[in-house]
Amino acid sequence: DTAVSQTPKYLVTQMGNDKSIKCEQNLGHDTMYWYKQDSKKFLKIMFSYNNKELIINETVPNRFSPKSPDKAHLNLHINSLELGDSAVYFCASSQDFRAGVTDTQYFGPGTRLTVL
Amino acid sequence: QKEVEQNSGPLSVPEGAIASLNCTYSDRGSQSFFWYRQYSGKSPELIMFIYSNGDKEDGRFTAQLNKASQYVSLLIRDSQPSDSATYLCAVNIGYNTDKLIFGTGTRLQVFP
Repeated sequence: DTAVSQTPKYLVTQMGNDKSIKCEQNLGHDTMYWYKQDSKKFLKIMFSYNNKELIINETVPNRFSPKSPDKAHLNLHINSLELGDSAVYFCASSQDFRAGVTDTQYFGPGTRLTVL
Repeated sequence: QKEVEQNSGPLSVPEGAIASLNCTYSDRGSQSFFWYRQYSGKSPELIMFIYSNGDKEDGRFTAQLNKASQYVSLLIRDSQPSDSATYLCAVNIGYNTDKLIFGTGTRLQVFP
């Protein structure tokens, strides 16, 4: 059984479009994250939510809007897509960010977004 | 100065050898340290984490942490070709946060 799943796996779209990526975890975790991995493989956190509450909001364009309908789901909506948004987007989850040093993050399979 | 630094490699080792992967970090307040393995086209997979100075062993893997030197390493004993991947070092930079700062990764190649 998949622990952290994302849909779609691949997303190819034109500049200016709006798209969403969905993430679900069945681990019973309270905290979920979105990361972006660029073409140089650098992995950077974008957002985190704990039990539907926004915790981390890094400096990303406000065209990116996360939404957590419940603690098992975290979606990412991107408006007015630009060429520079092309990357792999990973969802992750952890037990609870307040658990301290032992809290570990588990990653989903990723969504490869290509903006043409 | 980059917050988490790793040599990009590739680090090439023969099968059966010990692979040593290194990582330095800049924030002295960093609390915990993680090693992830990422195969090409796949997601990062947690290998192990460490938060106390010294060594921590898990099977063929040993993580070493030296907070005074701001240095964390991963040793892979009896390296196998299947260990060939990019190894990402990640640092949790503070209390009551799960903000992980990742290094750019070291590519390991284990040749038969």
